[in-house]
Amino acid sequence: EAGVVQSPRYKIIEKKQPVAFWCNPISGHNTLYWYLQNLGQGPELLIRYENEEAVDDSQLPKDRFSAERLKGVDSTLKIQPAELGDSAVYLCASSPPEGEQYFGPGTRLTVT
Amino acid sequence: AQSVTQLGSHVSVSEGALVLLRCNYSSSVPPYLFWYVQYPNQGLQLLLKYTSAATLVKGINGFEAEFKKSETSFHLTKPSAHMSDAAEYFCAVSEMGRRALTFGSGTRLQVQP
Repeated sequence: EAGVVQSPRYKIIEKKQPVAFWCNPISGHNTLYWYLQNLGQGPELLIRYENEEAVDDSQLPKDRFSAERLKGVDSTLKIQPAELGDSAVYLCASSPPEGEQYFGPGTRLTVT
Repeated sequence: AQSVTQLGSHVSVSEGALVLLRCNYSSSVPPYLFWYVQYPNQGLQLLLKYTSAATLVKGINGFEAEFKKSETSFHLTKPSAHMSDAAEYFCAVSEMGRRALTFGSGTRLQVQP
C-alpha cells in the first residue's frame, strides 16, 4: 500500500514569492491534515479536511495561506506571499474513519 | 484545551541501556495519547497509542508506554536501546471527538556505542 505522497520534498524561494505544496493521501482515507513543523518543534495543525470540507482551520493564517482539497482526494496548500518566518517543514497526514494518522515525508521550505 | 510537555529535549543512553522518554499531558476530557518517531528527513511514524483500553500499551520496535491518570503521564520506555533507535520522539494528545493531534516539542534520543 502506498503511503502519503508529498511534493516537492524541498523548495527554496525568495520572500514575497508564492509557493504551493501538494499532498496525495492514502486511498480510502477521508480525513486529511496539514501540519507545520518548525525546527526543533513538534508539528502544529494548520487545517483538517473531512472529505472535501475544511472542518478545522482555526490555526491557518488566512491572510497568506490557503488550502483546497479537490474532490475529497488530493490537497494543495498555498502561501502567497511567503515570508522568512514561513521556513519550516510542511507535513501532510491522512486517516481513515476512526483510524490513526499516517504522515507523509513533508516538504521542507526555505524562504530567503 | 489540551497540551503536552516532554521533559528533556535531548536524551543520551548507551547501547543496551534502558530508554525512558517522559511525557506529561493536560486535557479536560479523557485523552487519546500517542508516541511517534521521526527519523531525519522523514515523516512521523506511529510507535504506539492509548485509547482508554489497557493502561500499559505495547508498540513497535520493543517500545511500550504506561498511561498513569493520577500523574497525567504517558512515559515511553524500552528495556534495551539499539543504535537504530536514535531519532526524534514526539508525544501527542488528542481529545476524543477532535481528530487533530497536539504534539509536544520532541525529545532527541542519542544512542552511544
